[in-house]
Amino acid sequence: GENVEQHPSTLSVQEGDSAVIKCTYSDSASNYFPWYKQELGKRPQLIIDIRSNVGEKKDQRIAVTLNKTAKHFSLHITETQPEDSAVYFCAASGGGGADGLTFGKGTHLIIQP
Amino acid sequence: GAGVSQTPSNKVTEKGKYVELRCDPISGHTALYWYRQSLGQGPEFLIYFQGTGAADDSGLPNDRFFAVRPEGSVSTLKIQRTERGDSAVYLCASSLSPPPAGEQYFGPGTRLTVT
Repeated sequence: GENVEQHPSTLSVQEGDSAVIKCTYSDSASNYFPWYKQELGKRPQLIIDIRSNVGEKKDQRIAVTLNKTAKHFSLHITETQPEDSAVYFCAASGGGGADGLTFGKGTHLIIQP
Repeated sequence: GAGVSQTPSNKVTEKGKYVELRCDPISGHTALYWYRQSLGQGPEFLIYFQGTGAADDSGLPNDRFFAVRPEGSVSTLKIQRTERGDSAVYLCASSLSPPPAGEQYFGPGTRLTVT
């Protein structure tokens, strides 16, 4: 089945700087890659997603890039703000395995004032 | 509109007991998923329903776990003979379209504690 690796596990950046979180996946047939933000004690919230027919997608300060050849995708947050502090999860689906999402272990993003 | 809702928000039970966890998906969403999230981990897929049928139950850890969705809307996750290792947050998600195309929206989860 699918395996998703996520790095780093913790990321601390100064407010206003950029943050990048990287994920790799194992199943070359996977074709849907969402990113979720989860605040402590809250539900995961979908913040952006990308499908395998595009290489990049942007939504204001957030962007996701996908490299199908290398089987990795990344989340980029620019001009970070205190409210960006949370745990971010990448996920993948659409391959030959289960119909559900396969998640990475998460990145705890800390925005330093 | 209303998002995905789950009840109860917290459930404490003794080892060996039976529990039921309920999920109300977003109205009109035909796809429904159950996940389990342990502390410090990402959600782990359990089961996927398309309409009333369980289209993929490959994530259920063993036969103590079972889920139903009799009318294609509300779903119930049932755990028999609970064990301490079942303690986790159980998340439900729903989607307008079947996988992999559909964006999944999560409920707030049920925190299950088995003592």
